Formats: sequence, C-alpha cells, structure tokens
Amino acid sequence: SAVISQKPSRDICQRGTSLTIQCQVDSQVTMMFWYRQQPGQSLTLIATANQGSEATYESGFVIDKFPISRPNLTFSTLTVSNMSPEDSSIYLCSAGDRSNQPQHFGDGTRLSIL
Amino acid sequence: DQQVKQNSPSLSVQEGRISILNCDYTNSMFDYFLWYKKYPAEGPTFLISISSIKDKNEDGRFTVFLNKSAKHLSLHIVPSQPGDSAVYFCAARGQRGTSYGKLTFGQGTILTVHP
Repeated sequence: SAVISQKPSRDICQRGTSLTIQCQVDSQVTMMFWYRQQPGQSLTLIATANQGSEATYESGFVIDKFPISRPNLTFSTLTVSNMSPEDSSIYLCSAGDRSNQPQHFGDGTRLSIL
Repeated sequence: DQQVKQNSPSLSVQEGRISILNCDYTNSMFDYFLWYKKYPAEGPTFLISISSIKDKNEDGRFTVFLNKSAKHLSLHIVPSQPGDSAVYFCAARGQRGTSYGKLTFGQGTILTVHP
C-alpha cells in the first residue's frame, strides 16, 4: 500500500494568514483527496485533487478558501487561506488507485488558529 | 444529511470477548464499504473492506458483514485485544460518476478493550 507523508504535522497560525500543507505519496496514484476533521467530528471530504487540472470541490468548500495543486501523480498541496479560528482542524490527505483498492491516509496536519 | 451513521459513540468490552461495531447507511448507490481504525495523532489506518456484491469478508480477527436490504454493516473483532482500543470509522464509497472514489465517513465509535 502507498505510504503518504504530510508536512507540517502541526502548526499554530495567526488569524488572517495562510498555510500550505504538502502531501507526498511514495508511488504514483490515480486519486488524491483532501479531508478535514474538525474537533469531535468525523472526516469530511474537501476536494478531489486532479492531476493537471483544477480540483473538484465538495459542497461548502471553495477554491478561494482552499486552493489545491496537484502537479504530478505523487504530490499535492492544500492551502488554507485567510485563516480564522473556525479553521482549526486536522487536515488529511489520502490516496487511492484502482477502484477496488482502499484509500490510504497520511497522519494529518493538526492546525490551530489563534 | 448524514448518509453514513454510527449510532454508538463508544463501546467497552473485555479482553478476549467479541467487539461488534455497527454502521448504517442511507444511499443505495454506495458500492464499497471500508472500516478504518484511528489512534490519536495518527491518520486513519485501513482495516478491512467489503464490496456490495458480497455479504461477508474475513481477515484474521476481523470480519465485516454487509446486509444490503437493511443498509447495515458491522465489524466483528474476535478476540478483542487491548491494542484494538481506538476510534473506528465506517466509510462508504460512491459508484462511478461524480461520486467515484469519494468516501463518506460515519461519526466514529470509540472502542475500549479492558484487560
């Protein structure tokens, strides 16, 4: 199974700033996704990172707030823009390939906004 | 609208006994179901999955049962071990089309296995 590395593992940021989270997979994968887990909540899909094209966002998430890049089949970034305390969450990257294979997750980025 | 529900926030069992975690879903278009285990400060770890064309899948101490007519699945852990203590998430995947590959997660169940 793919090994997924996320950086940074945690950060504390000031209100109004932006942070870019990196996700690196040790092998080429077809699909990469970004999820958010708010405190005490389940995982919610933010968007599908598409290689070479714009990401596909879920309802409630917009590109201006969460711009995503995916320049190749092993790497993606998620930026959390103009952060507010409500953005304090764990952000998780996942990767998957063939349709009958499970997605695997990175260890997440724990983000706190003051 | 919660399409995947885990109605038990927590479960406590004795070491050596069976743990049964339950999950219900509402969307009949889901075709693949997964269970993940999550420890604090780590990402979810894949545990076991089942396709909608099956009703049972077994892997060592872990068995997943799927009842399509009831839109219900369950995870059985036998025998339970203290190291199984974690949060367990049920997830469902949409079929081909706009939902392809996307996972919808339940709220999670905290399993505690007492020695």
